[in-house]
Amino acid sequence: GAVVSQHPSRVICKSGTSVKIECRSLDFQATTMFWYRQFPKQSLMLMATSNEGSKATYEQGVEKDKFLINHASLTLSTLTVTSAHPEDSSFYICSARALPSTDTQYFGPGTRLTVL
Amino acid sequence: AQSVTQLGSHVSVSEGALVLLRCNYSSSVPPYLFWYVQYPNQGLQLLLKYTTGATLVKGINGFEAEFKKSETSFHLTKPSAHMSDAAEYFCAVSDLLVYKLSFGAGTTVTVRA
Repeated sequence: GAVVSQHPSRVICKSGTSVKIECRSLDFQATTMFWYRQFPKQSLMLMATSNEGSKATYEQGVEKDKFLINHASLTLSTLTVTSAHPEDSSFYICSARALPSTDTQYFGPGTRLTVL
Repeated sequence: AQSVTQLGSHVSVSEGALVLLRCNYSSSVPPYLFWYVQYPNQGLQLLLKYTTGATLVKGINGFEAEFKKSETSFHLTKPSAHMSDAAEYFCAVSDLLVYKLSFGAGTTVTVRA
């Protein structure tokens, strides 16, 4: 149980285009989802927290107009990188927390974004 | 605010030897503590967690960790390393409101045959 999927696993795009990454909880309802960014050989940096049906809460320094997050249902959250540039290239990982009684985050497999 | 410090960015052990990964935390409230493992180009897998109760926590793949409040530590151990244990390990502490995780810098484990 507690499986989280991400799609796509890898994406290559041209500079200036937008890319959407999906995060799905497959066997549980996720009231809260988190989006992280991980640079090579580094730890995970929390970008934003999203709750189903409400606006995402972004961490300090993360541009909300550049990284659009939508959490439209209890099993799906999306991250859209708008007008991507090479510096946006990174490994993006989502995680999901089940209903409020659960203290554990379950992580997706990650999406490798390369912007040319 | 919570934070985690992992001592040692890289640990190399022989197959069959003890694995010890160190984690110290800082928290103004009783912490929830986690160890995650990450294999190359993959997401994170939960190894074990401490919330309340017994301070010695057993996880998957033979790992265990002990919560020591007096030392503000949550070190991860495995008695006998296996080649498949080669990976990146992250210690994390959670707040108790929205359960945001703060991660340590990570420790890379290599296992020598």
